Amino acid sequence: EAGVAQSPRYKIIEKRQSVAFWCNPISGHATLYWYQQILGQGPKLLIQFQNNGVVDDSQLPKDRFSAERLKGVDSTLKIQPAKLEDSAVYLCASSLSSLYEQYFGPGTRLTVT
Amino acid sequence: AQRVTQPEKLLSVFKGAPVELKCNYSYSGSPELFWYVQYSRQRLQLLLRHISRESIKGFTADLNKGETSFHLKKPFAQEEDSAMYYCALRKTSYDKVIFGPGTSLSVIP
Repeated sequence: EAGVAQSPRYKIIEKRQSVAFWCNPISGHATLYWYQQILGQGPKLLIQFQNNGVVDDSQLPKDRFSAERLKGVDSTLKIQPAKLEDSAVYLCASSLSSLYEQYFGPGTRLTVT
Repeated sequence: AQRVTQPEKLLSVFKGAPVELKCNYSYSGSPELFWYVQYSRQRLQLLLRHISRESIKGFTADLNKGETSFHLKKPFAQEEDSAMYYCALRKTSYDKVIFGPGTSLSVIP
């Protein structure tokens, strides 16, 4: 089966610009996750969707980050405006439900200059 | 708050030698614990979970509630074991997964 798809794979922007990432989960997976992984650290959950509803966004910096999952399938994560400390790999993952294994995408490496 | 620590950023062992990747956690309850692995140029993937009590690719991990540890072990390291390993926990099946900072394992031929 096809895995989790993410695009773009790499992005370089200047601070204060905006950026958007896209994720297509595995077909049939109801739960979708966005993680931020800063260099030298483990992934940190930003937001979790169950279908198109938000389950957990407690660690999402809502003043600059937003995410949506229209129709309960694809999802986009946006940063506006970006800061230098947003430089990281953004991982998308999906699972049948929170009870099941998460499958990760390849990630988007964001560099903010 | 729950926290996962992995004291070694880098670990090098010779092929055929035993390997142990350390993981300690802070949580007063009974969490679910996991090991994830990321091989070079591949995606992050689940290696094993303590609930399953399984051995995957020769790796095992034992939960020690007294020491709040979940160390990953393999008796004979192979070159293909070289990868980044992350220990992780969650309070319940409905909570978010919290990852440790990771240990980079290098198996020397």
